[in-house]
Amino acid sequence: GAGVSQSPRYKVAKRGQDVALRCDPISGHVSLFWYQQALGQGPEFLTYFQNEAQLDKSGLPSDRFFAERPEGSVSTLKIQRTQQEDSAVYLCASSLARDRSTNQPQHFGDGTRLSIL
Amino acid sequence: AQSVTQLGSHVSVSEGALVLLRCNYSSSVPPYLFWYVQYPNQGLQLLLKYTSAATLVKGINGFEAEFKKSETSFHLTKPSAHMSDAAEYFCAVRYSGGSNYKLTFGKGTLLTVNP
Repeated sequence: GAGVSQSPRYKVAKRGQDVALRCDPISGHVSLFWYQQALGQGPEFLTYFQNEAQLDKSGLPSDRFFAERPEGSVSTLKIQRTQQEDSAVYLCASSLARDRSTNQPQHFGDGTRLSIL
Repeated sequence: AQSVTQLGSHVSVSEGALVLLRCNYSSSVPPYLFWYVQYPNQGLQLLLKYTSAATLVKGINGFEAEFKKSETSFHLTKPSAHMSDAAEYFCAVRYSGGSNYKLTFGKGTLLTVNP
């Protein structure tokens, strides 16, 4: 497709369950980002990939959060033993740029709304 | 810590009136600056970006923003609001330095447009 695709759009899970969120970036985009958007807040950075390499995971809230992009394209964000505070919209973005000095914009998917009961 | 401040979590205007959404950043070095719009249950759509080529940046849907270094501001404006402009607007920055790939967002401003 032409844009960033995320699935599922909505996910409801019981506390303690594991969840996996998928992101399919724009074809050819080198950089991929995950953000967490709590209700009424702006998105907050979670992690960054350049191709298959995870270069920054400083925003992941705990070791229950894990992200991968094994072939440098599709990425999965996994949350283990979910807790209620994990409820949020998880946004994926991709960017063409490899070069940090450019101001290439990030293109966002529609997000996955995660609700933990 | 570097931050982005959006003054006013909620702005309400009448259709046809001027829209002004405020954004201030904290940095001694001008960062890359962006405005995104988010419609309900959707992701973020880029409105415009500051490229340092011109201080007045024109974006989509009639929006523009002016970069003012002396005020560390990048306010978003539109001369005449339309009902379809009702959405949440986020200012975002990318700072220079080691982690300049990540976006730092403001908390957003919800724009409502009254008929």
